[in-house]
Amino acid sequence: DTEVTQTPKHLVMGMTNKKSLKCEQHMGHRAMYWYKQKAKKPPELMFVYSYEKLSINESVPSRFSPECPNSSLLNLHLHALQPEDSALYLCASSQLRGDKTEAFFGQGTRLTVV
Amino acid sequence: GNSVTQMEGPVTLSEEAFLTINCTYTATGYPSLFWYVQYPGEGLQLLLKATKADDKGSNKGFEATYRKETTSFHLEKGSVQVSDSAVYFCALSGITGGFKTIFGAGTRLFVKA
Repeated sequence: DTEVTQTPKHLVMGMTNKKSLKCEQHMGHRAMYWYKQKAKKPPELMFVYSYEKLSINESVPSRFSPECPNSSLLNLHLHALQPEDSALYLCASSQLRGDKTEAFFGQGTRLTVV
Repeated sequence: GNSVTQMEGPVTLSEEAFLTINCTYTATGYPSLFWYVQYPGEGLQLLLKATKADDKGSNKGFEATYRKETTSFHLEKGSVQVSDSAVYFCALSGITGGFKTIFGAGTRLFVKA
C-alpha cells in the first residue's frame, strides 16, 4: 500500500466556519507533511511532523492548526480563514532514512473560502 | 541556500517527439533528487528518483541522471504521448535541515496528437 488518503476531496467554507482536513497513511512512515499549493505554483511546505511531534512550522498563521493523533493520521484544523487561503492542500508522508526521503503525496483537498 | 531551478514552460511538443526538461540545483551536502508529475486536478506522483551521483532514475520511459559535477538532473523521454501532458516538478530532499522537499517552479508540458 503506497497510498496517502485525504478527505474531503473538495471543501467550501465560510470565513467564520471551523473545518478539518484529514490525512491517513499505512506505509509506516514516521514523517508527515502539510503543503499548500496555489494554481500554477509548486507546493509550499506548511508543517512537518516527525515521530508524531511537530518539527517544522513554516511561519503558518494560527488559523491553521495541525494535529497528529497517531503515526498514521494527520489533521489540519481550519478556523477563520480568508479567501486568499483558497488552494489545494496536500498531505505527504515519508520515511526518516537518509536514502529514502521521497515524499508520497495524497490527491489533495481543494479548499474554497467564501 | 538550497534551491532548484527548472526551465520555464510551457513546453509544447507533438506526439512521439523527444522531451528534455532541464533542472539544476544548489544544495549543501548530498541531496536525493526527484522528479514529480502532477496531472490536472490531482496530487503529485513520484516519477523517478536518484540518491547519489551518477545514479540514473527511470520510470515509464522517463530518465534522469544525477550529475554532481554540473549539479543537474535533467528529465528526458524519447517519445512523448498525449497522456504525458502534465506539470513536472524537479525536487530535492535529504539535506541539512531535515527531510523537507524543495521544489522547482514546475514545467507544464503539452503534447499534441
